Amino acid sequence: EAGVVQSPRYKIIEKKQPVAFWCNPISGHNTLYWYRQNLGQGPELLIRYENEEAVDDSQLPKDRFSAERLKGVDSTLKIQPAELGDSAVYLCASSLVGQGNTGELFFGEGSRLTVL
Amino acid sequence: LAKTTQPISMDSYEGQEVNITCSHNNIATNDYITWYQQFPSQGPRFIIQGYKTKVTNEVASLFIPADRKSSTLSLPRVSLSDTAVYYCLVGDTSFGNEKLTFGTGTRLTIIP
Repeated sequence: EAGVVQSPRYKIIEKKQPVAFWCNPISGHNTLYWYRQNLGQGPELLIRYENEEAVDDSQLPKDRFSAERLKGVDSTLKIQPAELGDSAVYLCASSLVGQGNTGELFFGEGSRLTVL
Repeated sequence: LAKTTQPISMDSYEGQEVNITCSHNNIATNDYITWYQQFPSQGPRFIIQGYKTKVTNEVASLFIPADRKSSTLSLPRVSLSDTAVYYCLVGDTSFGNEKLTFGTGTRLTIIP
């Protein structure tokens, strides 16, 4: 079974440029998460989707970040314009919630963003 | 939200048993304790989850005392490939993990 797929793995851009990250969750997983991980820190939740609905976006910097999950499957996270402080690894995760499961999160390998 | 505290780093020799303890004094009744492992350039990977007493799987054991205010991840006979960051998370995973927060984790280094 394929895991969570993210692209691109690496992205280098200059500040003020836009950037987008794509995530394809595990088939059948209804919940999708975007996390940001700064160097030496644990992942921080940016947004969580239940199917196509964003149920927790309280940590998403809405002035420059946006996300969508059309049709409740793939998701895209966009930053426009990027700032130097946005340099980090952006992780996507998915899980199958409900029906008595443990809620284990499955993470992709992440997209490493460097803003110059 | 239940906050967790764990050592920043630990070193151990190959073949030894490693125990990483996590404190979570304000754990709630519905909260589970979950541990993740993260290698460089990879996303975190689920290791084990428990609610009380002891849970064991093929890679680790999780010990949880009766008051549930702490938990200990036990890795038997570690090898160099166990070098990674280990995160302890506490939250009600039955409702979508919305309360799960990663801390800074414990950086475990295995010495040959």
